[in-house]
Amino acid sequence: EPEVTQTPSHQVTQMGQEVILRCVPISNHLYFYWYRQILGQKVEFLVSFYNNEISEKSEIFDDQFSVERPDGSNFTLKIRSTKLEDSAMYFCASFLTSPYEQYFGPGTRLTVT
Amino acid sequence: DAKTTQPPSMDCAEGRAANLPCNHSTISGNEYVYWYRQIHSQGPQYIIHGLKNNETNEMASLIITEDRKSSTLILPHATLRDTAVYYCIVRFSGNTPLVFGKGTRLSVIA
Repeated sequence: EPEVTQTPSHQVTQMGQEVILRCVPISNHLYFYWYRQILGQKVEFLVSFYNNEISEKSEIFDDQFSVERPDGSNFTLKIRSTKLEDSAMYFCASFLTSPYEQYFGPGTRLTVT
Repeated sequence: DAKTTQPPSMDCAEGRAANLPCNHSTISGNEYVYWYRQIHSQGPQYIIHGLKNNETNEMASLIITEDRKSSTLILPHATLRDTAVYYCIVRFSGNTPLVFGKGTRLSVIA
């Protein structure tokens, strides 16, 4: 069964450093999302991406964040200058068309020290 | 998006049916009801969705009341691996994000 994959599974970085989280969505999917979940809290929407541009973003997705689909398969989330409060699980999700379900990846645990 | 209300936790004996309720009294006519679950810190997993009619798949059944103000997710024979947080989400069709609440923590007990 096709699945969304994410790398790395765990990333440790120092405050102020840039990180890039990578996702490979399911191959024929058209809509891509990033969510995050701070430990013990709810899953929160960050950004959605369709047709090579951002469709919608939340208040969390400020100028420190960016997304890119550099080729036909990868979908990346970049945090330009990490803060301690960016420590969280980051989930990538994709779907083909609505109302189809969103498929989530296993997540990347980001730890900012 | 309409808000949902779920009990914070429930227990279920292994092998019995787990019935997870959800209230969504402000749902609008073209909003779907989705159920996802999250096992430990893994990525949320889609279970089932519906608009008006009851739905069944290999994982679960979804019963939506006639007025669409509430629904119940049924896991017919719960196993220990079904222990997870279950989220009921209502959303419009189209490219809209999922809005997660706190969900119901289901504990399946041997």
